[in-house]
Amino acid sequence: LAKTTQPISMDSYEGQEVNITCSHNNIATNDYITWYQQFPSQGPRFIIQGYKTKVTNEVASLFIPADRKSSTLSLPRVSLSDTAVYYCPDDQGDMRFGAGTRLTVKP
Amino acid sequence: DARVTQTPRHKVTEMGQEVTMRCQPILGHNTVFWYRQTMMQGLELLAYFRNRAPLDDSGMPKDRFSAEMPDATLATLKIQPSEPRDSAVYFCASGSGTGGASKSKNIQYFGAGTRLSVL
Repeated sequence: LAKTTQPISMDSYEGQEVNITCSHNNIATNDYITWYQQFPSQGPRFIIQGYKTKVTNEVASLFIPADRKSSTLSLPRVSLSDTAVYYCPDDQGDMRFGAGTRLTVKP
Repeated sequence: DARVTQTPRHKVTEMGQEVTMRCQPILGHNTVFWYRQTMMQGLELLAYFRNRAPLDDSGMPKDRFSAEMPDATLATLKIQPSEPRDSAVYFCASGSGTGGASKSKNIQYFGAGTRLSVL
């Protein structure tokens, strides 16, 4: 089954911009790219979705190159509360989340 | 504020007992997913339904797990008999995906989960 690939963990400091990249080697033509965020003791929650180029909302930006084989989630000026696990699930008819990227923001 | 509701939030039981977890999807959503999350395995898809029909339950141990949607407002996940290795957080999610050739924008909305401990 197709699977996305993302780093297991990342560390950052408050106020920095954080970029998390995910590979989508087997993405289908009509699939969107979706990112989720999960805090401890909560279910994942949707943060952003795009098809190509750039999408921005109040939480993050999502950059998708023309070939759509990867995507980059950009979190501007992170704070301690952005410490969470970030997922870019594989949307091959269902959503396989994998282990995600554990982001730790330090003071 | 529409949300997915899961009950119970916590469940402690003894090995061999039956466990039933319930999920009320967001009204109007036609897809329902069941996930299991552990430290070792991360978030695993167990089963999912579209329009109440099971589409994929390949991630679910068939001998002890069963998932059903008696109606559009209720999804259940049952474990019988339960074992200590079933201890995990079980999440339900719903969405309004269309499936088929048009799989776009399959955003899932997750419940708070059921934390299951099997002793």
